[in-house]
Amino acid sequence: ILNVEQSPQSLHVQEGDSTNFTCSFPSSNFYALHWYRWETAKSPEALFVMTLNGDEKKKGRISATLNTKEGYSYLYIKGSQPEDSATYLCAFSGGYQKVTFGTGTKLQVIP
Amino acid sequence: DGGITQSPKYLFRKEGQNVTLSCEQNLNHDAMYWYRQDPGQGLRLIYYSQIVNDFQKGDIAEGYSVSREKKESFPLTVTSAQKNPTAFYLCASSIGPSQETQYFGPGTRLLVL
Repeated sequence: ILNVEQSPQSLHVQEGDSTNFTCSFPSSNFYALHWYRWETAKSPEALFVMTLNGDEKKKGRISATLNTKEGYSYLYIKGSQPEDSATYLCAFSGGYQKVTFGTGTKLQVIP
Repeated sequence: DGGITQSPKYLFRKEGQNVTLSCEQNLNHDAMYWYRQDPGQGLRLIYYSQIVNDFQKGDIAEGYSVSREKKESFPLTVTSAQKNPTAFYLCASSIGPSQETQYFGPGTRLLVL
């Protein structure tokens, strides 16, 4: 079983603050890194899929970067809003292996 | 609307009983997956299927069984051999291999009476 770690486990920020969290994964045999957002009482939804070292993706106030050589990805949220409150999951895929999910970072944005 | 449906939302199992969780998708996806979530843990893969009539064990397959007789359906049976079945179960699908983006159902919470 591959080791995919996310930090911090949980995070409380004030509305308007910017924040970031980390996903660490094996640096060998990389194929893709996915970010998902999982809001309470809803299904996880895909945010980004990243495949190349140095990839940067952006969707509105949320962006992500990827470093496959050192095995990490950052997710950034600029100007956090209460609707950003969710658990953010990363998922690592290596070659033709199955995807391995991290334990998630639970974000709560306080109005 | 295309999507993934899971039923029931809540399921109660008695000791020694087998129960089946339903997962249906109308996205025309080839691959389907079952995950289990326990408090404080990430999603753990139980079984996955890349194509009809074929499936593989994931990391925690013991005590579970699946079938993939139709492209749109991937039911999961929790057998009496699964000694700790209380958990939240998520079904997902993807267009192709597991490296692709996965689309999730709403989940089933299984409780033991």
